[in-house]
Amino acid sequence: AQSVTQLGSHVSVSEGALVLLRCNYSSSVPPYLFWYVQYPNQGLQLLLKYTSAATLVKGINGFEAEFKKSETSFHLTKPSAHMSDAAEYFCAVSDFTGGGADGLTFGKGTHLIIQP
Amino acid sequence: DGGITQSPKYLFRKEGQNVTLSCEQNLNHDAMYWYRQDPGQGLRLIYYSQIVNDFQKGDIAEGYSVSREKKESFPLTVTSAQKNPTAFYLCASSSHGTGNFEQYFGPGTRLTVT
Repeated sequence: AQSVTQLGSHVSVSEGALVLLRCNYSSSVPPYLFWYVQYPNQGLQLLLKYTSAATLVKGINGFEAEFKKSETSFHLTKPSAHMSDAAEYFCAVSDFTGGGADGLTFGKGTHLIIQP
Repeated sequence: DGGITQSPKYLFRKEGQNVTLSCEQNLNHDAMYWYRQDPGQGLRLIYYSQIVNDFQKGDIAEGYSVSREKKESFPLTVTSAQKNPTAFYLCASSSHGTGNFEQYFGPGTRLTVT
């Protein structure tokens, strides 16, 4: 069974500081990994995804994530936070053991707060 | 523009009433999903469908029902058997034929039952 753990339900950083949101996964097979962002009362928007190609993945809005198999991690980073980055961030995993359409398993989310 | 629409944005119902949430996509995706979101709980899978006229239970299917009569549509009915129906409901779709495994989400429906 696959699972996702996001460390820290809330993360606060100053505008211009480094953003680091942590995600650890467990999966019985090489996984596909995703980061989504959600603004209040909206759906989820894909930030980036890892699908067994390059381990460093670049996404939208200046975010990137690195897949580290030895650490079973897929942490999300951004060098310089902007006020518009304030949102809920979800890490998700799928190992597609069910044939490709079983849905993603999501972490509980991390609320990113940007301090002016 | 291609995308997923969910209606209505906000829905209010009295306890004991069934209610149906709409989800439509024009992305030509085969697979569709329903998730429930509660504060601090992340997203939990209710039902999913890989193809028309077929669907599978997710992790929290009790008290919910779905149908998939058309490729574009995947409505969710919240029945009176669902003990805590108040939540934010998200519909998603994906296409696996090209190896593109990410899911695309609709804007969500916030259901309040009193």
